[in-house]
This record gives sequence, C-alpha cells and structure tokens, in this order.
Amino acid sequence: KQEVTQIPAALSVPEGENLVLNCSFTDSAIYNLQWFRQDPGKGLTSLLLIQSSQREQTSGRLNASLDKSSGRSTLYIAASQPGDSATYLCAELRGTYKYIFGTGTRLKVLA
Amino acid sequence: EAQVTQNPRYLITVTGKKLTVTCSQNMNHEYMSWYRQDPGLGLRQIYYSMNVEVTDKGDVPEGYKVSRKEKRNFPLILESPSPNQTSLYFCASSFLGGGYTFGSGTRLTVV
Repeated sequence: KQEVTQIPAALSVPEGENLVLNCSFTDSAIYNLQWFRQDPGKGLTSLLLIQSSQREQTSGRLNASLDKSSGRSTLYIAASQPGDSATYLCAELRGTYKYIFGTGTRLKVLA
Repeated sequence: EAQVTQNPRYLITVTGKKLTVTCSQNMNHEYMSWYRQDPGLGLRQIYYSMNVEVTDKGDVPEGYKVSRKEKRNFPLILESPSPNQTSLYFCASSFLGGGYTFGSGTRLTVV
C-alpha cells in the first residue's frame, strides 16, 4: 500500500529551538513533495514544494530536503517561535494528478 | 490575488437535503480536486478533474458528485447528505504536476 508517514505525530518544544520534522514515503517514483502548514480548523498553506530533480528548498527559517533513494523528506525549522505552532503535513505527488498526504505532525512551540 | 475560493465556509443541513459546495480558482489551473478531512483519517481525496469535462473518482467518492463545465469551477454536490458526510472539506487546484493551492475549507454538519 502506498503510504506517507510522519514522525513524530506531536512535538512540543521551547521557543528558540531548531527542530526537524520527518516524512517518509514508500514510492521512489515521486514526482514532487510539498510541505503544508494547517492551523486548527483552517485551510492548508503551502510552505515549500520540492521537485523530484531537486534536493532541497529554503524559505526564510524553513528548509526542506528530499532524498528519493531513502524515501525521506525533512522539514527543518530554525529558531522556532510560538507562531510556528500548527500541524505540518507533507504530501507526495505521484504521476501528475494525485497527492498522498501524511497524517501530520502537531507542533507546539512554548513561549 | 491568486486563490481558491470555497463557499460556504460553514453549513449545517439535514439528512437528505441536496446541497452544493462551490469551488472557484483564478489561476487557470488544469487540475482541481476535492478532499475531506476527518480526525485520525487525514486528508482523503473524493474526486479530481484534470481539465474541463474530465473528472474521476478519488479514494472516497461514494455519496458525492462533481462537474467541471468551466476550467475555473469545480462544484461538489451531495445529492442526499447523510451524517457520515459531516466533515471538513477542501478544494485544491494546481497546474498538472505542480504544487497545490488549497481553499479555506467548508465545515459541513449533517444532522
């Protein structure tokens, strides 16, 4: 079965820490991988999109990497802030029409 | 502003009363899709469309209909809603193979 797994399911850290969220996928024929942020009861905001030909993307304090051979992507958040508290979802695009979503990591950054 | 617009944001309805959730995008995207999000189950795809008049079932299509008569619009139709369709619904769009842009979501309650 094609799956996307995110570990840990929940994470609580003090403000200022650097942290890593993990995303594992089973299909190496990945087309691209996208990281999203979701605030409670709200929509999904795209953070970073990594094409299969790329190894990483950066935006501000966020850096996402992609390793197709190991089936892993990581989202690195530098100097975390309370405003970073949200659920982070990764999604793998296979072919050109379907994203498979992980179940997310709930992040809480304590002031 | 590039966006995906869903309406309504909140809806409470009774079992069996037909309803339509609208979705419109202004980015000229070919691909549009509907998801539902339920606690513990993550995001599951209901239907998708790769272009005008081209639609196909996702993972959980039972009880739903869609149409794609214009490129910008992709309404979700519940002909006879039931309580198990109570959920948070998201519309998303993209260029084929590109990153997703999500709407803000529709919280549906069927009583």
